[in-house]
Amino acid sequence: ETGVTQTPRHLVMGMTNKKSLKCEQHLGHNAMYWYKQSAKKPLELMFVYNFKEQTENNSVPSRFSPECPNSSHLFLHLHTLQPEDSALYLCASSQVAASGDYEQYFGPGTRLTVT
Amino acid sequence: AQSVTQLGSHVSVSEGALVLLRCNYSSSVPPYLFWYVQYPNQGLQLLLKYTTGATLVKGINGFEAEFKKSETSFHLTKPSAHMSDAAEYFCAVSVGTSGSRLTFGEGTQLTVNP
Repeated sequence: ETGVTQTPRHLVMGMTNKKSLKCEQHLGHNAMYWYKQSAKKPLELMFVYNFKEQTENNSVPSRFSPECPNSSHLFLHLHTLQPEDSALYLCASSQVAASGDYEQYFGPGTRLTVT
Repeated sequence: AQSVTQLGSHVSVSEGALVLLRCNYSSSVPPYLFWYVQYPNQGLQLLLKYTTGATLVKGINGFEAEFKKSETSFHLTKPSAHMSDAAEYFCAVSVGTSGSRLTFGEGTQLTVNP
């Protein structure tokens, strides 16, 4: 595997279900990100992890719970979601450096539908 | 704080015509600028980036962009559109300091007509 991978690619879940999204980066990066992309809305940054530590949480509801066990893996645990949470969830990674060259590499995304 | 404005949420061109996608940014310090492309049901792919140095940057698939500080712009161009260029394009800015994040524009959907 190369780059950033995400599984599953598609997920349909009911509002009472619990599921997890998985992201893995094979680039040796030290930062990982979760974004939400909804139709007709700008890309929304949800969470940021630097060196496995969460450094940013942009007022995301608690029904979304991130986990970063190491610098290569990132999870997004989902529970009691709402229909408006249906979206494409994108994972990205980057190499954080003093130069600030924060070029991010994205995975293919998980298309989530909440019924 | 930085921000990005992409002028035109939809742009339509004929195959073989010039592609011009506009991006203006706001930043209090020298920015790092990026263009990404997203094909249907896929993630974002980096097209090109400007950090320092030459203001005209070339990217993949024949695209290029020019950083114009005086105009706070970073427009994306391609001399001749191909059908495979149909996608959504995102401009993004970072201010290049520790803790900085990418700020994305709202995207421009490019349609290429035969």
